Amino acid sequence: NSKVIQTPRYLVKGQGQKAKMRCIPEKGHPVVFWYQQNKNNEFKFLINFQNQEVLQQIDMTEKRFSAECPSNSPCSLEIQSSEAGDSALYLCASSGTGAERLFFGHGTKLSVL
Amino acid sequence: AQSVDQPDAHVTLSEGASLELRCSYSYSAAPYLFWYVQYPGQSLQFLLKYITGDTVVKGTKGFEAEFRKSNSSFNLKKSPAHWSDSAKYFCALEGPLNTEGADRLTFGKGTQLIIQP
Repeated sequence: NSKVIQTPRYLVKGQGQKAKMRCIPEKGHPVVFWYQQNKNNEFKFLINFQNQEVLQQIDMTEKRFSAECPSNSPCSLEIQSSEAGDSALYLCASSGTGAERLFFGHGTKLSVL
Repeated sequence: AQSVDQPDAHVTLSEGASLELRCSYSYSAAPYLFWYVQYPGQSLQFLLKYITGDTVVKGTKGFEAEFRKSNSSFNLKKSPAHWSDSAKYFCALEGPLNTEGADRLTFGKGTQLIIQP
């Protein structure tokens, strides 16, 4: 069973609505990633954090997407104004530093109607 | 730009056969390579990784993979296959470490493996 906890498992939003999902990384893991997996199984990296600080993020993330990983609170990914193309599985993963394996959560499946 | 190709979207085998799932990559420097598996209804799980050294790496669940620099491949193997190996398998590449921490993974599109009893 995954020790990376993502909530909710399913999220349904209308276009233009905010969508927010949360992730509790595995204890002791300083690095957190968010990926988007579309229906064609294509993974898109969104953003990653190390010790609450953003390491890398893609341009898309900088516009409608926002994310944070505060200390002692779940990490979160929020889409300010959902679009149909945002419908996907959003995966959170955590790891140690270095070329370490990622531990993935079950994901949040977002459907934008 | 780095990329990972898994040319076989679906592979079907009989139980007891040898399986080999293909993965090729494109990257200008030394890659770190991973295989992950996704069982129905479960999260992605780590199988194995190649960083450096021995080109044949062994992982969990009896899987192994061979890194071949000559043709930029990192194929996943197991013999014999079991029906419980039926799942979706993803090959992934990570660039060399930056000084700030873990770099991002680039995933292939995956291979759906079906093992028939």
